[in-house]
Amino acid sequence: KAGVTQTPRYLIKTRGQQVTLSCSPISGHRSVSWYQQTPGQGLQFLFEYFSETQRNKGNFPGRFSGRQFSNSRSEMNVSTLELGDSALYLCASRMFSGNTIYFGEGSWLTVV
Amino acid sequence: ELKVEQNPLFLSMQEGKNYTIYCNYSTTSDRLYWYRQDPGKSLESLFVLLSNGAVKQEGRLMASLDTKARLSTLHITAAVHDLSATYFCAVVDHQKETSGSRLTFGEGTQLTVNP
Repeated sequence: KAGVTQTPRYLIKTRGQQVTLSCSPISGHRSVSWYQQTPGQGLQFLFEYFSETQRNKGNFPGRFSGRQFSNSRSEMNVSTLELGDSALYLCASRMFSGNTIYFGEGSWLTVV
Repeated sequence: ELKVEQNPLFLSMQEGKNYTIYCNYSTTSDRLYWYRQDPGKSLESLFVLLSNGAVKQEGRLMASLDTKARLSTLHITAAVHDLSATYFCAVVDHQKETSGSRLTFGEGTQLTVNP
């Protein structure tokens, strides 16, 4: 069965712009979470959505936002991009009653 | 605040040798994950450990969990070059949330297996 799908895979943006990343979870998975991975800070939790509701939010500024649609697909948005937002953004999905959390291939964002 | 610490952070070993990666965490949790990440790639799920004393094995990797000591180990047996990757442990902080998807990761252990 198809895994977690993230688009786009690679993108370059300029400081001050905004970006939207998309994530399609594994079919039947209703929980979607997002993580940021950087060499300096490692893997950090951004937020989690379930049934279109944000259930958890990590310690990131308000420039980072997300949403989930009725088909469980999720998007995250970063506004007013800063150089430090350059990172690998990973989406993960889980069946709400399941234990394993599956990660997508990630979206590589470079801010110049 | 939940903290997860792995050691060692860097591990260079010869093929055929055994070694153990340690993962300590600071608050109560009954769900611990191990992931593998190859350079430029995503996280591959290796193990989910759910209870005290849980032990799981897959090929040359074996993971265990001691919830009382707040410690998990990932043991590598007779390492081969294909095991070269970065290994992360991650813990769910059930005191903070109940959904089970908020993972706090360790820093990762970069494993290099030399011929």
